[in-house]
Amino acid sequence: DAKTTQPPSMDCAEGRAANLPCNHSTISGNEYVYWYRQIHSQGPQYIIHGLKNNETNEMASLIITEDRKSSTLILPHATLRDTAVYYCIVRVPSGGYQKVTFGTGTKLQVIP
Amino acid sequence: EPEVTQTPSHQVTQMGQEVILRCVPISNHLYFYWYRQILGQKVEFLVSFYNNEISEKSEIFDDQFSVERPDGSNFTLKIRSTKLEDSAMYFCASSNTGPGGNQPQHFGDGTRLSIL
Repeated sequence: DAKTTQPPSMDCAEGRAANLPCNHSTISGNEYVYWYRQIHSQGPQYIIHGLKNNETNEMASLIITEDRKSSTLILPHATLRDTAVYYCIVRVPSGGYQKVTFGTGTKLQVIP
Repeated sequence: EPEVTQTPSHQVTQMGQEVILRCVPISNHLYFYWYRQILGQKVEFLVSFYNNEISEKSEIFDDQFSVERPDGSNFTLKIRSTKLEDSAMYFCASSNTGPGGNQPQHFGDGTRLSIL
């Protein structure tokens, strides 16, 4: 799996968009970008994933650069409940089981 | 929305005792996993399970550990002869296959295991 680089921490004002960057310059053509988050004392929560097109769901948007070497997770209107550690993970889909390898992620603090 | 449920939320056990952590994966999922997170550290993969057998395990998952799907709904992690260093949050996850095999894993909220 490709290595990812994320800033260790970020702050965002409540109600503003939170833009969380991830660098994955060694990504290969068939690797997907996944985002998870872990709110304190809870299990990791799946947010969104994509291959090369931008993706949007009810939680967030994922913007992947054209060369696929970096991506940005966007929380459009951050709330205090979005305070969490956000993990960017790149991996090849295997058709079934495959472990998720978590790094240290970005600790997002949403400020009132 | 369907979710992975884990019981108990907190388990306190004496060192040397056996403990069983229980999980109910999402009902139509076929792939099951256990992870653990020692306080202040990363989430670490332990084992994956498919078609009633282990498909991959990490170095952490030694002979002390075992997994089982005793019926159509539960997935368990057994730790024999617990040690102090087994104290951690244990997370169960499940996933399904899909076109391209890119379906994400969904995690439960974990069991906090405290070994005394």
